Amino acid sequence: NAGVTQTPKFRVLKTGQSMTLLCAQDMNHEYMYWYRQDPGMGLRLIHYSVGEGTTAKGEVPDGYNVSRLKKQNFLLGLESAAPSQTSVYFCASTLGDTEAFFGQGTRLTVV
Amino acid sequence: GDSVTQMEGPVTLSEEAFLTINCTYTATGYPSLFWYVQYPGEGLQLLLKATKADDKGSNKGFEATYRKETTSFHLEKGSVQVSDSAVYFCALRNSGNTPLVFGKGTRLSVIA
Repeated sequence: NAGVTQTPKFRVLKTGQSMTLLCAQDMNHEYMYWYRQDPGMGLRLIHYSVGEGTTAKGEVPDGYNVSRLKKQNFLLGLESAAPSQTSVYFCASTLGDTEAFFGQGTRLTVV
Repeated sequence: GDSVTQMEGPVTLSEEAFLTINCTYTATGYPSLFWYVQYPGEGLQLLLKATKADDKGSNKGFEATYRKETTSFHLEKGSVQVSDSAVYFCALRNSGNTPLVFGKGTRLSVIA
């Protein structure tokens, strides 16, 4: 049972480039989340999804888009990367009120 | 909105010392409360949780009690080990389909 898998694990982008982060879970969870982790800021919610085909904005959604076309996948897109988006990105999933399972993280650097 | 405040770190302790990491919250209704731990280079994993007032969550020697009257969920461990060195996050969820809200994290370093 793989749990929550994020790809890629590391990436360096140039300002203005685009990329997509993939989160995949094999636990049949309804809810999926994207957070970013920055020093001294804890985890801040970017976007989340309460089911296939639905998405909602979190605390810091600007500059990001998401899609949940399949229940098991939650994609996070950066259309035009900026240095302020340098961060560690975590995906998580839950089934109702159970514990959240996290991926290993994606370390993104925008230069 | 809902929020979580936890003590700022870093916290440095000697092995076998007593640990307390304070956490207080602001929320409407009756949230569930969690402590997550992040070891170096890894994602977060659940350490313990409590879903109603006066519940005590415990795991791996760590404990935390849901105190509604003080809106607190302090993490404690009687005797820390070097292997407990990590970042600890307090979090809440207000209902089953709402996202977790995290505190800023507290980095713990335990020295031998």
